[in-house]
Amino acid sequence: AQSVAQPEDQVNVAEGNPLTVKCTYSVSGNPYLFWYVQYPNRGLQFLLKYITGDNLVKGSYGFEAEFNKSQTSFHLKKPSALVSDSALYFCAVRGQVLDDKIIFGKGTRLHILP
Amino acid sequence: DVKVTQSSRYLVKRTGEKVFLECVQDMDHENMFWYRQDPGLGLRLIYFSYDVKMKEKGDIPEGYSVSREKKERFSLILESASTNQTSMYLCASSLVLADLLSGNTGELFFGEGSRLTVL
Repeated sequence: AQSVAQPEDQVNVAEGNPLTVKCTYSVSGNPYLFWYVQYPNRGLQFLLKYITGDNLVKGSYGFEAEFNKSQTSFHLKKPSALVSDSALYFCAVRGQVLDDKIIFGKGTRLHILP
Repeated sequence: DVKVTQSSRYLVKRTGEKVFLECVQDMDHENMFWYRQDPGLGLRLIYFSYDVKMKEKGDIPEGYSVSREKKERFSLILESASTNQTSMYLCASSLVLADLLSGNTGELFFGEGSRLTVL
């Protein structure tokens, strides 16, 4: 069965410091992996995805994510955090079978401290 | 850009009322989904639809039904609202998963959400 784990409910980072939001997954076969961001009282916005190829994926707002097949991880990163990055972040995975559904993690709240 | 529109951002209803949540997408997507989001529980899939007049149960369908009479519209129905259905409801749509060459990985496009309070 597919699953996604975001081990941290909350991450606090000082503005200007690098940030990492962790995600591990379990899926049969090769995965498609996604990160979404949610600002207060808004829907989820797509940030980036991993399909195949380069393990480092670049996305919106300066975010990137590193795919590690051996560790089944897909951590979200940014070299220098902004206060405006404060939001709820969701990792998601799906398999490459046609009827596989996207499975979401429980979310990690990121607080960027001024 | 894909746009998914949820008709009501905030609703307050009373226990036992029938509630309709409407969702419309403008990108001719085949797939549509309804999720509910609760603190600490993440997103849970209620129902989804792969085509007009088709529906499939998700992980928590109890107390809900759906309707998809047109490709662009997917409605969530609470036949008799209860207080434990107070939540944020998120509609999403996606293309049918195609091959890697197309770049389509079936990612979801979300509406802004409908926050429902049942008193």
